[in-house]
Amino acid sequence: AQSVTQPDIHITVSEGASLELRCNYSYGATPYLFWYVQSPGQGLQLLLKYFSGDTLVQGIKGFEAEFKRSQSSFNLRKPSVHWSDAAEYFCAVGASLGGGSNYKLTFGKGTLLTVNP
Amino acid sequence: DAGITQSPRHKVTETGTPVTLRCHQTENHRYMYWYRQDPGHGLRLIHYSYGVKDTDKGEVSDGYSVSRSKTEDFLLTLESATSSQTSVYFCATKFRDLWTEAFFGQGTRLTVV
Repeated sequence: AQSVTQPDIHITVSEGASLELRCNYSYGATPYLFWYVQSPGQGLQLLLKYFSGDTLVQGIKGFEAEFKRSQSSFNLRKPSVHWSDAAEYFCAVGASLGGGSNYKLTFGKGTLLTVNP
Repeated sequence: DAGITQSPRHKVTETGTPVTLRCHQTENHRYMYWYRQDPGHGLRLIHYSYGVKDTDKGEVSDGYSVSRSKTEDFLLTLESATSSQTSVYFCATKFRDLWTEAFFGQGTRLTVV
């Protein structure tokens, strides 16, 4: 069964510092990978996704993520964090069960990002 | 934004009563998902649908049932609500191509007293 692990429950960074949020997945084949962001009281917004091709993907708001098959990881990065980036971040893996149309989308537990001025 | 509407947005109900949450979409998306969000647990999949009348269980399906009789509506029913089902419930929908992302509704805050 597919699963997602986000090892860091809470991360605090200073504004302007670099950021890396970790995500590890478990799935036998190449998965579909996503990062979402959730601001307080809001729904989830897609930051970026990976399904094939270049393993470094660019997203919105200056975020990028790198797919590393050997490490089963899809870490999210940003070179310089802004105060408005404070939010909760979720990694997700999508997988087609049995190769058919049954497509399951599983999320990690999330990482809460706090940005200090 | 994808046209996803969850109703109601807030509900308080008593233990033991049945509750139905509705997710309505206008995007003709094939896939629809119900998640619950609780502090420390992230988003946990309850049930999902990969077509009309095609549904499957997620990781926390006990005490919940779903129905999808038409493309645009996906109903989540708590058969007999318990306090442990107090949560924020999110619906998500996704186009048929597997590489596309899911879009989320604004959530339903359910309190079971």
